[in-house]
Amino acid sequence: DGGITQSPKYLFRKEGQNVTLSCEQNLNHDAMYWYRQDPGQGLRLIYYSQIVNDFQKGDIAEGYSVSREKKESFPLTVTSAQKNPTAFYLCASDSYYGYTFGSGTRLTVV
Amino acid sequence: AQRVTQPEKLLSVFKGAPVELKCNYSYSGSPELFWYVQYSRQRLQLLLRHISRESIKGFTADLNKGETSFHLKKPFAQEEDSAMYYCALRSGSSNTGKLIFGQGTTLQVKP
Repeated sequence: DGGITQSPKYLFRKEGQNVTLSCEQNLNHDAMYWYRQDPGQGLRLIYYSQIVNDFQKGDIAEGYSVSREKKESFPLTVTSAQKNPTAFYLCASDSYYGYTFGSGTRLTVV
Repeated sequence: AQRVTQPEKLLSVFKGAPVELKCNYSYSGSPELFWYVQYSRQRLQLLLRHISRESIKGFTADLNKGETSFHLKKPFAQEEDSAMYYCALRSGSSNTGKLIFGQGTTLQVKP
């Protein structure tokens, strides 16, 4: 059953801590994306990757980092430099027909 | 600058009433536009894309380049249509590429 798997579903981070959100796909898509979803602000692009070992910053990349060592995987690290990390994070992969989204990770700073 | 605007945060209608969710865009090239929907407790999913010109779940959307709009319409709303709807614009000339999303409109269909 093809799709995108994000884990964990819920994540709690302490102040000053880095955390990594996982995103895996078995759709054989080249392009993958990370978005942040906040109420009233829609989806804002954090990072994207169109091919293995290459990625670009999106509109709100500060305080985040990514890697793309395998086609199937595009993990997102939320660093301590991100001032307001509490949000819902969505991963997506892309084909001609449009995006396929994961179920999301809700990150809360405690 | 490329931008997608959904002017309504919340649209509330009664069951059986017509629905129109507005979407305006700014883009200098030839746009590719989408509507995505997020039902409660479900993941965001594609509803329709303008180049396929199809009707999904009774919804249609027509690209109006003169008015730079891509409004989503349904003649008779159902309670199961209640969800968050996002309009999105694909930038770039390739068949894949990053999407720019609007702020989203919550559709509430009352019984």
